[in-house]
Amino acid sequence: GAVVSQHPSRVICKSGTSVKIECRSLDFQATTMFWYRQFPKKSLMLMATSNEGSKATYEQGVEKDKFLINHASLTLSTLTVTSAHPEDSSFYICSASEAGTPRDEQFFGPGTRLTVL
Amino acid sequence: QKEVEQDPGPLSVPEGAIVSLNCTYSNSAFQYFMWYRQYSRKGPELLMYTYSSGNKEDGRFTAQVDKSSKYISLFIRDSQPSDSATYLCAMSAAPSGSARQLTFGSGTQLTVLP
Repeated sequence: GAVVSQHPSRVICKSGTSVKIECRSLDFQATTMFWYRQFPKKSLMLMATSNEGSKATYEQGVEKDKFLINHASLTLSTLTVTSAHPEDSSFYICSASEAGTPRDEQFFGPGTRLTVL
Repeated sequence: QKEVEQDPGPLSVPEGAIVSLNCTYSNSAFQYFMWYRQYSRKGPELLMYTYSSGNKEDGRFTAQVDKSSKYISLFIRDSQPSDSATYLCAMSAAPSGSARQLTFGSGTQLTVLP
């Protein structure tokens, strides 16, 4: 199956700093990548949909200036949490959709746990 | 009302039991139905994928979709301790673009006791 990696797997930072999370599709080209956040014992909440080479589409209530998404290539998307605060602490998960498949299945990364002190 | 409702559990069963997990939904446009398994602090992995109504079986797992009732189920036969995880249902409508957005249930936490 298709493999998606995320880096880092966990990060701890001080309030006010910016954190970048990378999402890579390792063995396929992903025209679309999705970014989710998940609070403990809660479901995945879609933050934004990112198509390669174009601006991301953000879900209602997600601040695009705070959560910067870049999808510069067919294998890499990045999420930057700018000026992070403790309430941004969460589990961030990306998924990638393989181009040209009839199912448009999403393959999920292993997630990044962000803790903001 | 949430678009997708899923009993969060937790659900605890003895090894070998049959497990039934369910979701209901309100959006009649959903046509693609999925079940994901998520181990603690890991990303979800796809277990079952079905299109429209009907049953699908894969080893110990059976997925059922009843679109008339807006109800989907996942059955796990001969449950094993390694099945202990959170199970998320997800669904999407017919695609209008290159990839479908998924709407997830809240997840059911399952523990299979040895």
